[in-house]
Amino acid sequence: DIQMTQSPSTLSASVGDRVTITCRASQSISSWLAWYQQKPGKAPKLLIYKASSLESGVPSRFSGSGSGTEFTLTISSLQPDDFATYYCQQYKTYLWTFGQGTKVEIK
Amino acid sequence: EVQLVGSGGGLIQPGGSLRLSCAASGFTFTSYAMSWVRQAPGKGLEWVSTISDSGGSTYYADSVKGRFTISRDNSKNTVYLQMNSLRAEDTAIYYCANKSPLEFLQHWGQGTLVTVSS
Repeated sequence: DIQMTQSPSTLSASVGDRVTITCRASQSISSWLAWYQQKPGKAPKLLIYKASSLESGVPSRFSGSGSGTEFTLTISSLQPDDFATYYCQQYKTYLWTFGQGTKVEIK
Repeated sequence: EVQLVGSGGGLIQPGGSLRLSCAASGFTFTSYAMSWVRQAPGKGLEWVSTISDSGGSTYYADSVKGRFTISRDNSKNTVYLQMNSLRAEDTAIYYCANKSPLEFLQHWGQGTLVTVSS
């Protein structure tokens, strides 16, 4: 199985901050990586696919980069609506696997 | 607007069976593979199963293989998850999602809660 490791597990930040979350794969997944946002009591929402492609309707302050085994999700200027938990997911091969999540909290 | 409405969850005793349903609308159901992903209380996301657009191919996580069966009825735009031999560790919210032709999970349903407890 391909293991996905996110860091940090929790991140405290203020509105307007630039935020970066890292996701590492245990083996190369090329660019077969997605990022999801989840708010409490809600279903996950797709933000980024193929490592760096922005899903339609997602604000441009979200961006993704990386390939192979190391990936990042960046929020250029954190907004109140962005406080949530973020997950990466590899879809190179079944079994699909998710990172453990990064909770972005208000500082 | 894409809608995925899950149902069928509830409280079930260990060893019991349950069938989840997910009714889809707002997209061409027969062109999309469908998946189930679960989330145990306070935990992260775990992929459970995927079925191809035709239903001819199915994939399962090791944790559910041999106990869960995914199926679909394209005439009803509905995907199912038959869960047998349920264990306490199967307790979770179960989300259905459609898989984009580009392979990622694009739209997610609201989830249905399954609680396995005596």
